[in-house]
Amino acid sequence: AQSVTQLDSQVPVFEEAPVELRCNYSSSVSVYLFWYVQYPNQGLQLLLKYLSGSTLVKGINGFEAEFNKSQTSFHLRKPSVHISDTAEYFCAVSDERNQGGKLIFGQGTELSVKP
Amino acid sequence: EAQVTQNPRYLITVTGKKLTVTCSQNMNHEYMSWYRQDPGLGLRQIYYSMNVEVTDKGDVPEGYKVSRKEKRNFPLILESPSPNQTSLYFCASSIDRVVPLHFGNGTRLTVT
Repeated sequence: AQSVTQLDSQVPVFEEAPVELRCNYSSSVSVYLFWYVQYPNQGLQLLLKYLSGSTLVKGINGFEAEFNKSQTSFHLRKPSVHISDTAEYFCAVSDERNQGGKLIFGQGTELSVKP
Repeated sequence: EAQVTQNPRYLITVTGKKLTVTCSQNMNHEYMSWYRQDPGLGLRQIYYSMNVEVTDKGDVPEGYKVSRKEKRNFPLILESPSPNQTSLYFCASSIDRVVPLHFGNGTRLTVT
């Protein structure tokens, strides 16, 4: 069965500092990987996705993630964060057997950017 | 504007009183899903639909019903709500099974 583990429930960081949000997954087949962001009182917005091809994926708002098959990881990074990046971030996985557009989500990481 | 619309945004009810949360999408998507979000658990799929009149259970279907009579609508029905169904609910849609989901803004349900 698939599973996703986000290794940090909360990540505090100062403005303009770099940040990495960690995500590990388990799956026995080829996977599709996603990062979503949830701002307060809003739905989830797609940041970036990995379906195939280049393992370095660039997304919106200056975020990027690297798919590492050997380490089964898909960590999210940003070189310099802003106050507006404060939100909850979810890593999610799907695969070729997926029925009905199902995603398996991690527990979420709260990113708190302080001035 | 492409969107998934859920109503209501907030709902407080009592145990046992039937309720329906509506979901509508304007993107002509085949796939629609319902998720619930609970602290420390992320989002878990309740039910999904691959097309009109085709629905199936997700990971946490107990206590919920759905229907898909039209492509754009996918209501979530709680026949007899209980306090353990207090949660934040999201409807989502996608054009196929690998394209990322579009999410609604959520419905926060409290059952007392």
